[in-house]
This record gives sequence, structure tokens and C-alpha cells, in this order.
Amino acid sequence: QVQLQQWGAGLLKPSETLSLTCAVSGGSFNGYYWTWIRQSPGGGLEWIGEISHSERPNYNPSLKDRVTLSVDTSKNHFFLRMTSLTAADTGVYFCARPRRNYGSGNDGYNVWGQGTMVAVSS
Amino acid sequence: ETVMTQSPNSLAVSLGERATINCKASQSILYTSNDKNYLAWYQQKPGQPPKLLIYWASTRESGVPDRFSGSGSGTDFTLTISSLQAEDVAVYFCQQYYSTPRTFGQGTKVEIK
Repeated sequence: QVQLQQWGAGLLKPSETLSLTCAVSGGSFNGYYWTWIRQSPGGGLEWIGEISHSERPNYNPSLKDRVTLSVDTSKNHFFLRMTSLTAADTGVYFCARPRRNYGSGNDGYNVWGQGTMVAVSS
Repeated sequence: ETVMTQSPNSLAVSLGERATINCKASQSILYTSNDKNYLAWYQQKPGQPPKLLIYWASTRESGVPDRFSGSGSGTDFTLTISSLQAEDVAVYFCQQYYSTPRTFGQGTKVEIK
């Protein structure tokens, strides 16, 4: 059974850089679009982007200039880096995996990390 | 970007009664080549990540009780809980996976009346 375990710094100052890691265990790493999604304090969900071991990442245009996704296939880890943080970036950040691999087409997310609370404050 | 709009924002339903949540996409999310609607529904309880309930607009994820059902096509979709149970108190989200960026509805909070 696939599990995602995520971690990273939770309290940051404006203009700093967020770095999160998501570790994949119990299943295949290759062939999936590994995804980051965040949830604002008000509850709304925002898709940040997705990356696979071999495809170019896809980013939300609203965050594209500040976000970099990457993978380490040797460790089955994938990463989120977000620069120039502001208070608007405060929220819970989730890593997630679609139900099917990308060869089968787009799909909903049936595997999620536990979430990382990120607070941006001076 | 496809905007997903849910209604209502919240609803209170008596135990055993029906709960209905609507979701409208700003453009069609029906892929005509395979006749599938690229829509998912999630349930989220406090302190937990969202849980996938339904995909392809109407297919229940394994282990999801059959009191949850999804319907609709094109731009208009519905999630129905046929007989509300106490454990169904949660926030429900729709999400389109037809195009990027993937987008979510704003959520509907379901409570017991």
C-alpha cells in the first residue's frame, strides 16, 4: 500500500524559501505525476503542480514563477521549493498521487501525505 | 483555467435524510473521445487530508459506502448522500482533472441538523 510521508520547515519569514519533501513508500515511484496541493486557512484547495520521474513538471500559472518541483528517484522522494514567501502562502501543504499512472490518463488523487502546516510571519 | 463552483457553501441535514451538493464547471470537463467526465469528489474531516470518494463523476472509490453517489455530465455535477450518517459530517470538494491547473470547488460543509 502506497504511503506518502512529508516534512519540512513550518515557520518561515516573508521573502524566505519554503522547502518540502515527500517520501514515497510501498509502491512504484516511476510512472506517476507526483503532486503538491495546498490548503489556505479558509479551507480552499489550490493545486501547485505535478512532476514525474521522466516528464516535465506542470505548474499552476499563478505560482509558476516561484515554484520548482524536483524528484530524487534514488530515494523515491519528490520536492517542493517555493521562493519569495508572503503571508498569503500560509496554509497546509499536501503531497498527493493520482489513482492511476500517467500512461493511463488523468485521474483524481487517492493517496495523500499527512500535510505540513506552513506559517509565514515576520 | 476551469473554475469549479459548488453550492451550497454549507448545509445541515437530519440524520437519515438526503444531502445534495452541486458542482458547476466553467467549461465542459467531458472528454468526448472516451465519454468520461473528469471530475472527482472528496471528503475532508478536520486535521485530515482529503479522501477520494468518487472519480469519473460517478464511480465510487473502493471502500466508499454506497450511500455516496455522483451524477452529472459536461458542466453540472451532483454528489448525493442518500441517508446522512453522523460520520459523514465533513467538508466536501469537487475537483476537475480534465486540464491543468487542476482546480477544486470551494467546498461544502455538511452538518447535522
